Amino acid sequence: GAGVSQSPSNKVTEKGKDVELRCDPISGHTALYWYRQSLGQGLEFLIYFQGNSAPDKSGLPSDRFSAERTGGSVSTLTIQRTQQEDSAVYLCASSFSSWVGGRTDTQYFGPGTRLTVL
Amino acid sequence: GQSLEQPSEVTAVEGAIVQINCTYQTSGFYGLSWYQQHDGGAPTFLSYNALDGLEETGRFSSFLSRSDSYGYLLLQELQMKDSASYFCAVRVLGATNKLIFGTGTLLAVQP
Repeated sequence: GAGVSQSPSNKVTEKGKDVELRCDPISGHTALYWYRQSLGQGLEFLIYFQGNSAPDKSGLPSDRFSAERTGGSVSTLTIQRTQQEDSAVYLCASSFSSWVGGRTDTQYFGPGTRLTVL
Repeated sequence: GQSLEQPSEVTAVEGAIVQINCTYQTSGFYGLSWYQQHDGGAPTFLSYNALDGLEETGRFSSFLSRSDSYGYLLLQELQMKDSASYFCAVRVLGATNKLIFGTGTLLAVQP
C-alpha cells in the first residue's frame, strides 16, 4: 500500500501475556518511529529507528518493551508480561530521512494498534 | 525537558475562524509542527514552522514566535469536517527526528 500499515488493528490480551505489534512503513522511508497514545492524551515517543538500528530508545517505559526492525523495513514492537497500564493505542510513523536540519521531514502515521490488557 | 501546553477544548461554528494556541518550554528545537487527528484515526501533518512568522496552507495557517515561546494554528472558514483533535509538536535538537507532542486540543465545529 501507499501508506503506513499496522497490524493488528485491535488486540485484546490478558495481563501477563506477551504481545507483538507490527508496522510496515512507507517504502523507501529510512526512519521509523513508535509512539503511544493513551485515551484522550497526546502522543508519547517510544523509540526511533534509522535503518535497522535504534539510536534513540529513550521513550521505552520499561525493559518489558523492546522493538526491532529488519531489512530496513518492517518493525515489531514487543511488550512482555503486559500490564493494564500498557493499554493504549500504539502508533507507528515513518519519514524519508532522519536528519533534516532546518527543514521539515514529515512523519506519516499508521492507523495504530489499539491494545487492551484485561 | 520539553512541554507543550494547549487548550483542552475549543468550540466554534461553521464558517468562523478559530485559533489554537501552543505555548512551550523547551531547551531547543528545529521547528513547530501541527497535526490533525480525527477520532480513531491516524495523526496527519498540517503545517510546519521552521522560522518565526506565518505559514499559510489553504484554510490553515500556522505561526511561530520563538522569542515568546508561542505558536498557533489558525483555521479559517471552518467546516464540520474540521472537528478533530489538533496537536502541536516540536522536533528536538539532536540526532533524531523524534517529535514531542503537545497535550492536544479537541475542536468541535457546530452548525
